[in-house]
Amino acid sequence: AQTVTQSQPEMSVQEAETVTLSCTYDTSESDYYLFWYKQPPSRQMILVIRQEAYKQQNATENRFSVNFQKAAKSFSLKISDSQLGDAAMYFCAYRSAYGATNKLIFGTGTLLAVQP
Amino acid sequence: KAGVTQTPRYLIKTRGQQVTLSCSPISGHRSVSWYQQTPGQGLQFLFEYFSETQRNKGNFPGRFSGRQFSNSRSEMNVSTLELGDSALYLCASSLTGAPGEQFFGPGTRLTVL
Repeated sequence: AQTVTQSQPEMSVQEAETVTLSCTYDTSESDYYLFWYKQPPSRQMILVIRQEAYKQQNATENRFSVNFQKAAKSFSLKISDSQLGDAAMYFCAYRSAYGATNKLIFGTGTLLAVQP
Repeated sequence: KAGVTQTPRYLIKTRGQQVTLSCSPISGHRSVSWYQQTPGQGLQFLFEYFSETQRNKGNFPGRFSGRQFSNSRSEMNVSTLELGDSALYLCASSLTGAPGEQFFGPGTRLTVL
């Protein structure tokens, strides 16, 4: 079975600074997708960034980028130029590329605080 | 385009009762997944429906059930409620089973007293 681990329950960053959230996963599959989701206090889960395992290039979405290390099974999220609106719970998630399913396996989350 | 809607947003029930939660996916989306979010267990997959068929189920007791209608709207039902069923229940929809983005609803906060 696949598992996702986020070892940082809480992180804090100063506004305009850079922060990196860690995520490791365990799987025996060779093809899969990895995601970072953001859940602000409003509770609506929002997709931040997606990485396809067969793509070696790290995904980037504006101020958000990932460091995907397939061999190490590591998938960290870097937030540059942090803004107050980035404060939220961040979840790392795994989805198999096999079978017709959208099932996501989530990590336990990292609560990010942004200090003004 | 309207997002995923979930009703009701908040619900208070007592032990032993049953509850039905509703999820309306984004128009045109045929896949609906349900998740339970609790402080202790985190986010756990309940089940997934596609074109009215359940195609994946998480490790939850039979008290948890769901269905999907021909218009892709989905309901989940929890019978014989227990205190531990108190949680935020999230619904997510996507266009197909292909690796597309899943869009989440705001959730239903269920409190069992």
